Amino acid sequence: EVQLVQSGAEVKKPGESLKISCKGSGYSFTSYWIGWVRQMPGKGLEWMGIIYPGDSDTRYSPSFQGQVTISADKSISTAYLQWSSLKASDTAMYYCARLTGHGFDPWGQGTLVTVSS
Amino acid sequence: DIQMTQSPSTLSASVGDRVTITCRASQSISSWLAWYQQKPGKAPKLLIYKASSLESGVPSRFSGSGSGTEFTLTISSLQPDDFATYYCQQYNSYSQFTFGPGTKVDIK
Repeated sequence: EVQLVQSGAEVKKPGESLKISCKGSGYSFTSYWIGWVRQMPGKGLEWMGIIYPGDSDTRYSPSFQGQVTISADKSISTAYLQWSSLKASDTAMYYCARLTGHGFDPWGQGTLVTVSS
Repeated sequence: DIQMTQSPSTLSASVGDRVTITCRASQSISSWLAWYQQKPGKAPKLLIYKASSLESGVPSRFSGSGSGTEFTLTISSLQPDDFATYYCQQYNSYSQFTFGPGTKVDIK
């Protein structure tokens, strides 16, 4: 079974750093792009960026370029999304998903990030 | 950048109704469009890919059509499990994967 399992919920203070993870299993992790999607409370889906774990080629949405860093460690089949200095406006659910010719499928269960002083 | 719009933003319907949601792209995306269903507290689920192809395991009451800039998702006979929010997404290039704003289907 193809599966993406994300790290658990995080509560952070403004200005802190954070790295969340997405571990793939059941398929060749290096052969598919992984995307990250933000969903702010009560809002829609926003594509943040994608990474190809095979060679770490990374593409960012202009809205998120410079705001986050996407990386991957193919040796442990894990993709990451990180912030160097969180803001309250980063409070959201973050999903990873595998990109295929069909779109994003499957999706991880989501990681809730709460940033509050 | 390609922008996606959906209409309506909210749709109230009854079990058994035929439901149609429209998605428009700001420029041609050929058939590179996917539809997702999201229920509260859950991750989105892929329903339709390449505008009209049904993802494996998805009930046949869901169908998609369109190409270029205008697309539709149709639920032929709405079931209780179908009350959710639906998003379209374009995947025309590997530099942007824009989602539409979503259509919430709720109970009339």
